[in-house]
Amino acid sequence: NAGVTQTPKFQVLKTGQSMTLQCAQDMNHEYMSWYRQDPGMGLRLIHYSVGAGITDQGEVPNGYNVSRSTTEDFPLRLLSAAPSQTSVYFCASSYSRDRGDYGYTFGSGTRLTVV
Amino acid sequence: KQEVTQIPAALSVPEGENLVLNCSFTDSAIYNLQWFRQDPGKGLTSLLLIQSSQREQTSGRLNASLDKSSGRSTLYIAASQPGDSATYLCAVNSGGYQKVTFGTGTKLQVIP
Repeated sequence: NAGVTQTPKFQVLKTGQSMTLQCAQDMNHEYMSWYRQDPGMGLRLIHYSVGAGITDQGEVPNGYNVSRSTTEDFPLRLLSAAPSQTSVYFCASSYSRDRGDYGYTFGSGTRLTVV
Repeated sequence: KQEVTQIPAALSVPEGENLVLNCSFTDSAIYNLQWFRQDPGKGLTSLLLIQSSQREQTSGRLNASLDKSSGRSTLYIAASQPGDSATYLCAVNSGGYQKVTFGTGTKLQVIP
C-alpha cells in the first residue's frame, strides 16, 4: 500500500542512549518532515526536507539529527536521549499542490519513552 | 509567532447531534487553514483545506468556515455518528511548509 511507513511503533530508551526512527515513503513526494506530539502542545516541527540532500530545522530541532540521501527515506536520529524527548513522533510526506496546499500523508507514529 | 488554539479540548455529544469545533489563530496573515482528523494510534488525515480567499469549504457532512479578520475557523459536523469519534486538529499555513502551525486538537466522542 502506498503511504508512509514508520518504524518502530513503540520504543523505550534509557537516558543517554541513541537511536534512529525510520521513515519511508513510496509516493515520490518532495517534502518530508518529522513532528513530535505532546499533550496540550499540538504537533511541532522538528526537521524537514524539501528534497534529497536538503534538510532544514523546524521549531524544535535540538537533540535530533536528520539526513535525506534518497527521496524515499528520512530517518530521525536521537543523539543522546533525554526524558524531555518522551513523545509521539510522526513522519509526514507531502507535495506542493497549489497555493500552499501540501498534500500531507502521515505515518502512524512512534511512541517513544525515555527513562 | 503564530499560535493556534482549539477549545474545548474534549467534547462528548449524543449521536445525531450537529456540532461545531473551533479553531483560533493569532496572526491573520495566513495562506490557508486545514482541518485534520486523528484516530487513536494513527497519523493525521486531511479533511478540508480553506484558502485565505475562501469563506468556507464543504465535504459531505463536514463544513469548514474561515474568518481571517477575527482569526477563527469552525468545523461543522452534521448528524454526528459514532464513527466521527476522533481528535480533530486545525493547521494554519502562515507562509511556507515550515510555517504550518498545528492546533492542540479537540477530542470528540459521539455516544450511540
